[in-house]
Formats: sequence, C-alpha cells, structure tokens
Amino acid sequence: QVQLVQSGAEVKKPGASVRISCKASGFTFTDYWMHWVRQAPGQGLEWMALINPSGETTRYAQRFQGRVTVTRDTSTSTLYMELSSLRSDDSAVYYCARDNSQQRDGFTGWWFDPWGQGTLVTVSP
Amino acid sequence: SSELTQDPAVSVALGQTVRITCQGDSLRRYYASWYQQKPGQAPVLVIFLNDIRPSGIPDRFSGSGSGNTASLTITGAQAEDEADYYCSSRDSDYNYVNWVFGGGTKLTVL
Repeated sequence: QVQLVQSGAEVKKPGASVRISCKASGFTFTDYWMHWVRQAPGQGLEWMALINPSGETTRYAQRFQGRVTVTRDTSTSTLYMELSSLRSDDSAVYYCARDNSQQRDGFTGWWFDPWGQGTLVTVSP
Repeated sequence: SSELTQDPAVSVALGQTVRITCQGDSLRRYYASWYQQKPGQAPVLVIFLNDIRPSGIPDRFSGSGSGNTASLTITGAQAEDEADYYCSSRDSDYNYVNWVFGGGTKLTVL
C-alpha cells in the first residue's frame, strides 16, 4: 500500500542540526512532489517545504529560509529534511507528505496524502 | 501570506450533524482540503478539491466551498469522529510558494 515511513525520534541540543528521513513505498516516488509539515506541541500544522520529483527544485516557507534543506534520493525512494541552528521552539513533530494536485473548473487544488507517521524532534539543552 | 480561519472548538451530539468552516482569501483562488487528526496520530485526508471524499472515508463526511469559505460537514456524527480538523489550501500570495493551514477545530462528540 502507499506508505511513508519516517525515521525515529531525535533529541538535539540548541544550535545543532537534525536530519529526518522519509521512505516511500507503494507508489512511483519519482512521479510526485513531496512536502514537509511540522506541528509544535499542542499547536496546529505548519507547512515547511516542497521538493520536486527530480530533487532539482525546492521551495521553503519564508520563516525557514536558510535553515532548512530538503533533498531526495530517487534510488532509495527516500526523502530527507535537515533543519539547522535548532532552537527550543523547533521542538515539534515533523511530517512528510505526498503532494497531489488537480485542476477542476479553472481552479487548482492541492492536497497532502498520505502522511508519514511523524518524527518527534526535541530540542533541549 | 494568507491565513485560514477556523473556529477553535465545536461540539455535536452523537448522531447529529455538524459543520466546520474555514475562511480565507486563498479559498477564492484555490480549492480546500480537510484533514482529521486524532491524538498522537498523523493527519488523515478526509476531503480534497472542496468536496471530494477519498476512498475509505465514510460518506457521512462531505465538503463544500463558496467564495472565501470552505465547509466540512459530518452528518450523523459518531464517537470516533472526535478529533481535530484542519483545512488547508495553497497560499494566494504571489510573492512566494506557500501552503497554509487553518488553526484547527477541535470537535467534541457529546
């Protein structure tokens, strides 16, 4: 079945970097753009980044520009997200999600499906 | 960037109908999608393109959209529908690529 399986929880100190992986299965990885979304404890969802199927094009949310790098390895169908200069408010669950889009009646819609199970990143001194 | 606004909390009696709304300028340009999230779990897509239900989602879930508002309706709410619900769309700000989520609505089934 279509599935995204993420790497395990991480504990990092402030100023460090974290790299999370997301392995795709059940679909042709090279056909899809992929996203990263995060969720701080008790908070809502926040979009972070997008990467195109070949990995040549990335787009990042303005607030993460310069700190986040998203890559993908098409040979292993694995997506990566690295966040640097970690702060305590980066403590969150990080999700990967597959991009889907369609045009209808002159408008376009995008949706995230499926999602990975999430990776908890804790930033603590 | 654009914003999507949701009521923080809504309650519904078991078996009754509830509507959760999402408002934002981006919804005038792009379709909305809706996600259900239960505690400790990843979000699950329940509606896309405003009103399309993915396979496997019960037909008591429906969606609609008009102008700057998208709505998720649960007809005959069940105990297992108690969850947080988030709407999302592409950001309509031309300056950069971005997706936005509403703040989420916590649904309580009484």
